[in-house]
Amino acid sequence: EPEVTQTPSHQVTQMGQEVILRCVPISNHLYFYWYRQILGQKVEFLVSFYNNEISEKSEIFDDQFSVERPDGSNFTLKIRSTKLEDSAMYFCASSEARSSGRAKQFFGPGTRLTVL
Amino acid sequence: EDQVTQSPEALRLQEGESSSLNCSYTVSGLRGLFWYRQDPGKGPEFLFTLYSAGEEKEKERLKATLTKKESFLHITAPKPEDSATYLCAVYQDAGNNRKLIWGLGTSLAVNP
Repeated sequence: EPEVTQTPSHQVTQMGQEVILRCVPISNHLYFYWYRQILGQKVEFLVSFYNNEISEKSEIFDDQFSVERPDGSNFTLKIRSTKLEDSAMYFCASSEARSSGRAKQFFGPGTRLTVL
Repeated sequence: EDQVTQSPEALRLQEGESSSLNCSYTVSGLRGLFWYRQDPGKGPEFLFTLYSAGEEKEKERLKATLTKKESFLHITAPKPEDSATYLCAVYQDAGNNRKLIWGLGTSLAVNP
């Protein structure tokens, strides 16, 4: 069964450094998402992406974040200057249909980001 | 404020002991309610989507129901492999806000 993959599984970085988290969505999906989950807290929506542009973004997704689909398969989340509070699990998801109440989103296994 | 609340936070059952998990929501522009299962260190795994009050869906030992203000996930005769965190999320479509709003989850442990 097709699945969303993410690399790396764990990333450790120093505060102020840039990190890029990578995702390979399911191949026939058109909509892509990033979420984060701080340990012990709720999953939080960051951004949705379609047709090479951002569809929606949350208040968390400020200027230090950016997303890109550099080729036909990868979807990346870049954090320009990491802060301690960026430490979290970051999940990528994709869906076949337009972002809506009927669009089933498939999630990757996550990247655990630790900022020291 | 748009919110999704799940209860209980944690539940411990004996194998075969049926129970229900609750997800209540106050979300404007609700367009669907999703149940996901999350195992430790893994991403959420889709279980069900419900769109309108009165709707029910079933999968093996799980059955999800929806009213205008809450959803229940009923677990019948659970097995140890049902142990996981069950997450509820509501899809909000209100003006410029279109996103999934998540509950904190119910951590279920089923003892053999």
